Amino acid sequence: EAGVAQSPRYKIIEKRQSVAFWCNPISGHATLYWYQQILGQGPKLLIQFQNNGVVDDSQLPKDRFSAERLKGVDSTLKIQPAKLEDSAVYLCASSPGTNLYGYTFGSGTRLTVV
Amino acid sequence: GQSLEQPSEVTAVEGAIVQINCTYQTSGFYGLSWYQQHDGGAPTFLSYNGLDGLEETGRFSSFLSRSDSYGYLLLQELQMKDSASYFCAVRSYNTDKLIFGTGTRLQVFP
Repeated sequence: EAGVAQSPRYKIIEKRQSVAFWCNPISGHATLYWYQQILGQGPKLLIQFQNNGVVDDSQLPKDRFSAERLKGVDSTLKIQPAKLEDSAVYLCASSPGTNLYGYTFGSGTRLTVV
Repeated sequence: GQSLEQPSEVTAVEGAIVQINCTYQTSGFYGLSWYQQHDGGAPTFLSYNGLDGLEETGRFSSFLSRSDSYGYLLLQELQMKDSASYFCAVRSYNTDKLIFGTGTRLQVFP
């Protein structure tokens, strides 16, 4: 089966600019996650979708970050305006929703804010 | 709060055995998972312990002791390609989200 697709692979922007990331999960996976991974740290959950509804966005900086999952398939994560501390890898993952064992992650988007 | 602590770095030589520990402070969770992440790559699922005890998958084994709030990943017959970061993770009953540990960078030398 095809994996989780993410784009772009890399992005460099100046602070205060806007950026958007796209994720296409594995077909049929009801649950989609966006994680932020700062260099040298473990991934941190930003937002979790179940189909097109938000399950958990408690750690999403809502003053600058937004995410949507239209039609319960693809998802976009946006940052506006970006700060230097947003430099990180943004990982998208999906799961069937009932899998207690593991998620499937995409390769991520490496964001550098200068 | 919930936290999972791991050693930051471990080094070993090819053919050796290495153990990566994970100690946690968290309330009820489904089980302990382990992920491998090569530089620039995506985390990939390695193993899962739902119950206490040892789970073996080829060269990799994982252990969980809920009474000790402790688990480990054991890698045997190390190969150069095992050089990567390894993360333990739990999926919480309360939040149903996967929480990752601090990560351990493993370097395998010839």
